[in-house]
Amino acid sequence: GNSVTQMEGPVTLSEEAFLTINCTYTATGYPSLFWYVQYPGEGLQLLLKATKADDKGSNKGFEATYRKETTSFHLEKGSVQVSDSAVYFCALTPNSGGYQKVTFGTGTKLQVIP
Amino acid sequence: KAGVTQTPRYLIKTRGQQVTLSCSPISGHRSVSWYQQTPGQGLQFLFEYFSETQRNKGNFPGRFSGRQFSNSRSEMNVSTLELGDSALYLCASSLVKGSTYEQYFGPGTRLTVT
Repeated sequence: GNSVTQMEGPVTLSEEAFLTINCTYTATGYPSLFWYVQYPGEGLQLLLKATKADDKGSNKGFEATYRKETTSFHLEKGSVQVSDSAVYFCALTPNSGGYQKVTFGTGTKLQVIP
Repeated sequence: KAGVTQTPRYLIKTRGQQVTLSCSPISGHRSVSWYQQTPGQGLQFLFEYFSETQRNKGNFPGRFSGRQFSNSRSEMNVSTLELGDSALYLCASSLVKGSTYEQYFGPGTRLTVT
């Protein structure tokens, strides 16, 4: 079956540091890949997505590139802020059309300190 | 467009009681999924409804049930509550864009069982 593996957290960074959160996946075919963010006390928000190989999703300074050859979708940001402190989830859908079960990673908690 | 709304936001119940949670999807979205989120188990899929029919179900006991109404609003019910049912319950409404399937989450209902 499909699976998503994320790096263990928490990740603690100083403000303005560079962020990378690793995500690798196992799936047949060409899934769509997503990053969701969950701020404290809230639900998940779709942060960015990529639907085919070599696509780059970007939003709010975050970027992730769909790498088919390494089955990865690492999340990056050049300069993190305290307000980026949250839990980040990598996810995939199989791109099979119609209803598709979403497979989530376990989440990576990011703490940004001033 | 209004986002996904969930009511109530917080709930405290006693073991053995039952509870009903409500979810209103984004206008035009016909699919609603439910997830349970706990610190130990992460995000776990409960079930998904589309056009008033349950299309997929996760690995939860029969105490967990749901339904969807003709206006796409959904409810989930948990009977005979156990302490382990304490969790954040998230609802997501979904949109199929071409072959891509995107989920949009509500803020969740925090259920505490004492």
